[in-house]
Amino acid sequence: GAGVSQSPSNKVTEKGKDVELRCDPISGHTALYWYRQSLGQGLEFLIYFQGNSAPDKSGLPSDRFSAERTGGSVSTLTIQRTQQEDSAVYLCASSLRFGGRTTDTQYFGPGTRLTVL
Amino acid sequence: GENVEQHPSTLSVQEGDSAVIKCTYSDSASNYFPWYKQELGKGPQLIIDIRSNVGEKKDQRIAVTLNKTAKHFSLHITETQPEDSAVYFCAASTSGGSQGNLIFGKGTKLSVKP
Repeated sequence: GAGVSQSPSNKVTEKGKDVELRCDPISGHTALYWYRQSLGQGLEFLIYFQGNSAPDKSGLPSDRFSAERTGGSVSTLTIQRTQQEDSAVYLCASSLRFGGRTTDTQYFGPGTRLTVL
Repeated sequence: GENVEQHPSTLSVQEGDSAVIKCTYSDSASNYFPWYKQELGKGPQLIIDIRSNVGEKKDQRIAVTLNKTAKHFSLHITETQPEDSAVYFCAASTSGGSQGNLIFGKGTKLSVKP
């Protein structure tokens, strides 16, 4: 079946511009996660959604970052007034559910490579 | 919060040899430990995972061991092949409540030389 998809695959923007990154989770997955991967680094957790709700936004690096999810499916991660340090690969993952008695497998999309000039 | 350390950062082996990657975690409440393989330009792909109620799990050439007392877990790849070359990430998670997100190690770049 279809996996997690993300768009665009690559985005080059100028410092100070706003960008929107999109994630389409696996159909039926209620939980959705955003991570950031900087060059040569591990994956940094940003935010998760259970349905349309994001209970914990403390992982977002600054107030320039925001995310929303509508209809329990597609999610967008928005970065306002981009800075050069925002350059990274932004990865989205989804799982059947979040929390519960056992942790469900997270399936990752291919990522969006963001370059801020 | 949880912290995951991963070693080594790079590993080079000859085809056919074994490769071992080790991770330690700090939160004794963590109970789910997946391993992901990431090839260049792609997202991480789950290759094996282990939950805290077992000490070892094997899938063909790949095995994972977990020592809850010492809070460390390891990935073992036997009979390595060039296509095993990739970056491998370990992660830890505490299921339940608001703690289902994964905390990742910084990755190990594995190179298998033919």
